[in-house]
Amino acid sequence: DTGVSQNPRHKITKRGQNVTFRCDPISEHNRLYWYRQTLGQGPEFLTYFQNEAQLEKSRLLSDRFSAERPKGSFSTLEIQRTEQGDSAMYLCASSLGQGKVTDTQYFGPGTRLTVL
Amino acid sequence: GESVGLHLPTLSVQEGDNSIINCAYSNSASDYFIWYKQESGKGPQFIIDIRSNMDKRQGQRVTVLLNKTVKHLSLQIAATQPGDSAVYFCAAASGGSYIPTFGRGTSLIVHP
Repeated sequence: DTGVSQNPRHKITKRGQNVTFRCDPISEHNRLYWYRQTLGQGPEFLTYFQNEAQLEKSRLLSDRFSAERPKGSFSTLEIQRTEQGDSAMYLCASSLGQGKVTDTQYFGPGTRLTVL
Repeated sequence: GESVGLHLPTLSVQEGDNSIINCAYSNSASDYFIWYKQESGKGPQFIIDIRSNMDKRQGQRVTVLLNKTVKHLSLQIAATQPGDSAVYFCAAASGGSYIPTFGRGTSLIVHP
C-alpha cells in the first residue's frame, strides 16, 4: 500500500452515462497525476496538478474528460457521456513535487472502468 | 517525443536465478528513469530510479544500469523469487518535464 487511495475500485456503467472517480494522494504530496492504462500497455498520461492548479493535459484528454483538485488535496476525474473506448484502468499517482525536478511518483490501486 | 520500449514482452526464469530486463529509450535529453513493478489488478509499484548523472544504482536485490551512449537501461533482479512474478515497466522523463513516458512492459515469470 503506497498511501494513494482510489475510489471506487471498479465501476461498470452503460454507454452515455457519466462517471466520477476520486483519488486521495499521499498527504503533503504537492503533485497529483492521472493516467489511463489499457491491457498490455504502460500507463498513458492524462493530466497533472501542482497543488490545485492543473498544469498539463494530454491530447488524450478529450473534452468529455474533466479533472479537478479544488483544495490541493484529493482529486476527481469525471468522464461524461462514456463510450466503450473509455474502458480502461484509471490510475492516480502523487509525488512530493518540491523544486523543479522530476520526482518519484507513487501510484494508487486504480479504478477499473467497464463501459457496456 | 519520447519513445520507451522493452526488449522482450515475456521473460521466464527459474527461482534463484538472476533476471535482467532491458529497456531502450529514444530521447537523448531524458535524464530521469524509473522502474515499476505491476502485479495483476494492482497499480504500479515503484522499484528504483536513476538520474542521468549516474550509471548504476543499487537497491535491495535490484540494480539499475544506465548506458546513455546507446540509450539503454536494464533492471537486474538477484536471486529471483516467485513473488517477483509481475509486469515490469521502465519509464523515462526528459529534462523539465515531470511526466515520464512508460514502455509496454515485460512480463516476468518465475518458475519454482
